[in-house]
Amino acid sequence: DSGVTQTPKHLITATGQRVTLRCSPRSGDLSVYWYQQSLDQGLQFLIQYYNGEERAKGNILERFSAQQFPDLHSELNLSSLELGDSALYFCASSPQLAGETQYFGPGTRLLVL
Amino acid sequence: GESVGLHLPTLSVQEGDNSIINCAYSNSASDYFIWYKQESGKGPQFIIDIRSNMDKRQGQRVTVLLNKTVKHLSLQIAATQPGDSAVYFCAEASGGYNKLIFGAGTRLAVHP
Repeated sequence: DSGVTQTPKHLITATGQRVTLRCSPRSGDLSVYWYQQSLDQGLQFLIQYYNGEERAKGNILERFSAQQFPDLHSELNLSSLELGDSALYFCASSPQLAGETQYFGPGTRLLVL
Repeated sequence: GESVGLHLPTLSVQEGDNSIINCAYSNSASDYFIWYKQESGKGPQFIIDIRSNMDKRQGQRVTVLLNKTVKHLSLQIAATQPGDSAVYFCAEASGGYNKLIFGAGTRLAVHP
């Protein structure tokens, strides 16, 4: 158990809908990262938040957004969902801004029908 | 069950043998490397990391070797056990280490 928690574990929704994935980092960690894992793209970095601020951006679609709250939990919002958005979404955390190991949560499996 | 990486390269080993998993990384500026293990239905689990000022680092039953000349990373697992069966990913980072770039992964299958 990495100490990173994610909810929900599974999510099934329809195309065009919007969903919110939630992540709680390890106690004391200030950075939260979001990754997408799909069959054809592998594990891809989406975005990083540090102490409430966006600090790095990867291949995140404009339909996707994230935020980190004062209690340091983070939410990833996915809107106008398409079939291709079906994937595993992982959250990771680390103590500081950079330079340290990222510890991953168990993931949320999203299925868009 | 696990639906990721159905077409990954697979390394099959006998229980008790040593395993070597290889990874070619892409960015010559990368200076931090990590190996993760992902079991079915779980998130990536940290195994071991190495920075570019080293060429070898050892952990418990695992060793990571880094060859910067050919941009190659390897993970050696000694006395492989059935519990080592999983998909193994290498990841690289540069500069601020906040964005990890993952390799495609290798599936390790350990047979009794």
